[in-house]
Amino acid sequence: KNEVEQSPQNLTAQEGEFITINCSYSVGISALHWLQQHPGGGIVSLFMLSSGKKKHGRLIATINIQEKHSSLHITASHPRDSAVYICAVSPTGNQFYFGTGTSLTVIP
Amino acid sequence: NAGVTQTPKFQVLKTGQSMTLQCAQDMNHNSMYWYRQDPGMGLRLIYYSASEGTTDKGEVPNGYNVSRLNKREFSLRLESAAPSQTSVYFCASSGLATRIETQYFGPGTRLLVL
Repeated sequence: KNEVEQSPQNLTAQEGEFITINCSYSVGISALHWLQQHPGGGIVSLFMLSSGKKKHGRLIATINIQEKHSSLHITASHPRDSAVYICAVSPTGNQFYFGTGTSLTVIP
Repeated sequence: NAGVTQTPKFQVLKTGQSMTLQCAQDMNHNSMYWYRQDPGMGLRLIYYSASEGTTDKGEVPNGYNVSRLNKREFSLRLESAAPSQTSVYFCASSGLATRIETQYFGPGTRLLVL
């Protein structure tokens, strides 16, 4: 049973395209996180949100608590955006359920 | 600040050998976590420590032990390694366990058990 489902699993885009990655979850949560895992393996947190929308540069994250759904958007995609994007949800401070990730490749 | 550091970066073990993965953070965080990441699966929590002196099991604790040595350091020990423990291990830390906070991850340790 997966508490967090992401789609698509793999995504290839041309440089400059608008990209959307989706995340659906099945548990009640206090917050949702979007993480980026670089090809070298390092993981960094992009967003933590519990409602509405957050924007950081070309990245936008939205969440709909009622529908248990979140999206990560990348505007004007660039090859350096190529990475695995991971959605994670926190029911409580010590619980994290992670999706399996979306592998994004942006072609020049 | 180094953030979260892990050693070693890569290790090969034979079945039955033991080893300890080290993790340290310099952000004065209270909470620390050990995860494993396997192909086709999301990160899974092995153990966590909400504060210095406390540890609790996560989703997949069998075959592992942990020690929260002090506020900075949280180690993960494999007493008798098995091939099923071949994985990439990540340590993470966050400010408080009593509220939701961003987690900061270490660079990972790739472990191969033959």
